[in-house]
Amino acid sequence: DAKTTQPPSMDCAEGRAANLPCNHSTISGNEYVYWYRQIHSQGPQYIIHGLKNNETNEMASLIITEDRKSSTLILPHATLRDTAVYYCIVRATNRDDKIIFGKGTRLHILP
Amino acid sequence: EADIYQTPRYLVIGTGKKITLECSQTMGHDKMYWYQQDPGMELHLIHYSYGVNSTEKGDLSSESTVSRIRTEHFPLTLESARPSHTSQYLCASSDKAKGGNQPQHFGDGTRLSIL
Repeated sequence: DAKTTQPPSMDCAEGRAANLPCNHSTISGNEYVYWYRQIHSQGPQYIIHGLKNNETNEMASLIITEDRKSSTLILPHATLRDTAVYYCIVRATNRDDKIIFGKGTRLHILP
Repeated sequence: EADIYQTPRYLVIGTGKKITLECSQTMGHDKMYWYQQDPGMELHLIHYSYGVNSTEKGDLSSESTVSRIRTEHFPLTLESARPSHTSQYLCASSDKAKGGNQPQHFGDGTRLSIL
């Protein structure tokens, strides 16, 4: 799986959009970009994933650059409950044995 | 919300006891996983299963064992618990039928403390 790079921490004001970046410059053609988050003391929660097109669901939007070397997770209206560690993961479609989470970005939503 | 359940949520128990951590999912997923996570640290895969009667060891060496007799159930057992087993154990599942890009869905974990 391609390695990802994320900032260790970010702050965002409540009600504003939270934009979480991820670099994955070694991504290959069959690898998807996944985002998970982990709220303290809970299991990781799947948010969204995509291959090359931008994706949106009820939780977030995923913007993938045209060269696929980076992506941004957007939480459109952040709330205090969005405070969590956010993990960007790149994974091939034929890899079904594990997820390597890395250290992620600790997002603090400020009231 | 994903329908994957882990019990107990918390367990404090003495050294030498046999422990079974339960994990069940109602989504009919073929693939199931056990991860271990220490506070503030990364998740490490310790076991996984592709379906009934399939079990594989993960990246992190673990003294635990697993079984997969039914699709929905993937229990993890420690025959003789030691303080070094103190950690959080997370169970996950994913749908094989829809292809390899399906995400994993996690339970809320069991926080295990061995005295």
